[in-house]
Amino acid sequence: GAGVSQSPSNKVTEKGKDVELRCDPISGHTALYWYRQRLGQGLEFLIYFQGNSAPDKSGLPSDRFSAERTGESVSTLTIQRTQQEDSAVYLCASSLGEFLAGDGRHSLDTQYFGPGTRLTVL
Amino acid sequence: GQQVMQIPQYQHVQEGEDFTTYCNSSTTLSNIQWYKQRPGGHPVFLIQLVKSGEVKKQKRLTFQFGEAKKNSSLHITATQTTDVGTYFCAGHLNSGYALNFGKGTSLLVTP
Repeated sequence: GAGVSQSPSNKVTEKGKDVELRCDPISGHTALYWYRQRLGQGLEFLIYFQGNSAPDKSGLPSDRFSAERTGESVSTLTIQRTQQEDSAVYLCASSLGEFLAGDGRHSLDTQYFGPGTRLTVL
Repeated sequence: GQQVMQIPQYQHVQEGEDFTTYCNSSTTLSNIQWYKQRPGGHPVFLIQLVKSGEVKKQKRLTFQFGEAKKNSSLHITATQTTDVGTYFCAGHLNSGYALNFGKGTSLLVTP
């Protein structure tokens, strides 16, 4: 079936402008994540949505960053008043969510990543 | 701060040599996942380990989860040029839902 899709694939913007990035998760996946990956760096967690629960926003770097998700479908990540340090690839991932591991603990299912949006702030 | 550490940052091997990357956490992990990211691509899931001391194999790849669930390793036997990429480990801490990624180990294989 279709994987995670993201749009746009590339976005070039001027410093101070707002941008909106979109993620379409795999159908049926209740969990959705946003990550940021700076050039040559690892993945930096931004935000996590799980069903109708309150999102985990602990990774958002500043109040210029926000994200929304309608139900278990599309999510948008908005960056207001963009700065040059916001330049990065923004990756979205979705998963089935939590599952019960063999030792009885709750664990998180595997994540499927979209192709990312490469954001360049001039 | 960084809670999942991964070493080495880079590794350059000749084709046919073995390769190992190590992942360490300061706190106990609920599970550990490994991803591979080809140059210019996005991370692709390889495997998940959940149980203490678990060992899983995928052809030439061997994954281990430490007894204390604080460390993990990925070992590739007889590397091939198709193994080139960055290998990330990611752990779910017992608190919160964030999956903490290591910075990755970039593997270069020369024929």
